[in-house]
Amino acid sequence: NAGVTQTPKFQVLKTGQSMTLQCAQDMNHEYMSWYRQDPGMGLRLIHYSVGAGITDQGEVPNGYNVSRSTTEDFPLRLLSAAPSQTSVYFCASSSRVRRSNEQFFGPGTRLTVL
Amino acid sequence: AQSVAQPEDQVNVAEGNPLTVKCTYSVSGNPYLFWYVQYPNRGLQFLLKYITGDNLVKGSYGFEAEFNKSQTSFHLKKPSALVSDSALYFCAVRDGGYNQGGKLIFGQGTELSVKP
Repeated sequence: NAGVTQTPKFQVLKTGQSMTLQCAQDMNHEYMSWYRQDPGMGLRLIHYSVGAGITDQGEVPNGYNVSRSTTEDFPLRLLSAAPSQTSVYFCASSSRVRRSNEQFFGPGTRLTVL
Repeated sequence: AQSVAQPEDQVNVAEGNPLTVKCTYSVSGNPYLFWYVQYPNRGLQFLLKYITGDNLVKGSYGFEAEFNKSQTSFHLKKPSALVSDSALYFCAVRDGGYNQGGKLIFGQGTELSVKP
């Protein structure tokens, strides 16, 4: 199993540009989440999904969109990039069957917005 | 609201000495607690979890954590630190029930530095 994969690893955008961060998992997990990591702030939840076709907002959803058309994929879209969105983005998945729901993380995407 | 705090930004330990990375939490109901480790330029790796039962939880790489309900703490420990343990450590609590997405609330992280 590849686990959770994310592309790209690095990205530089100009203010106002849009892009999609890709996330895929091959563990048949029902739950998927997107977090952003900023120095001194830990990881903060952007959006999450409990299954295909179902998404919800997390702590910091503004400026981001998600959709979940399949169990495997959970892309994160930046609509109009801003410097405040410079961060490291992590996708995670977990199983509903395992009651502890421990999350498995991808390697991250480092995004810089100029 | 549920929250997690890691009171130390950095912990410095000499190799071979015991280490402790502190975590306190605030939740309603029974907490599901986790420790993750992040090595430079890598994703987060699961270390251990507390769900219920024995207050001393053993995890990967020789780490363990002690759950203390009265002090609302979940400190990470290792009897003998290695230089290779140097990394960023995150404490987290599950937000919501098991059927609510498994999403986590993280502490701000503690940088562990182990010197030879």
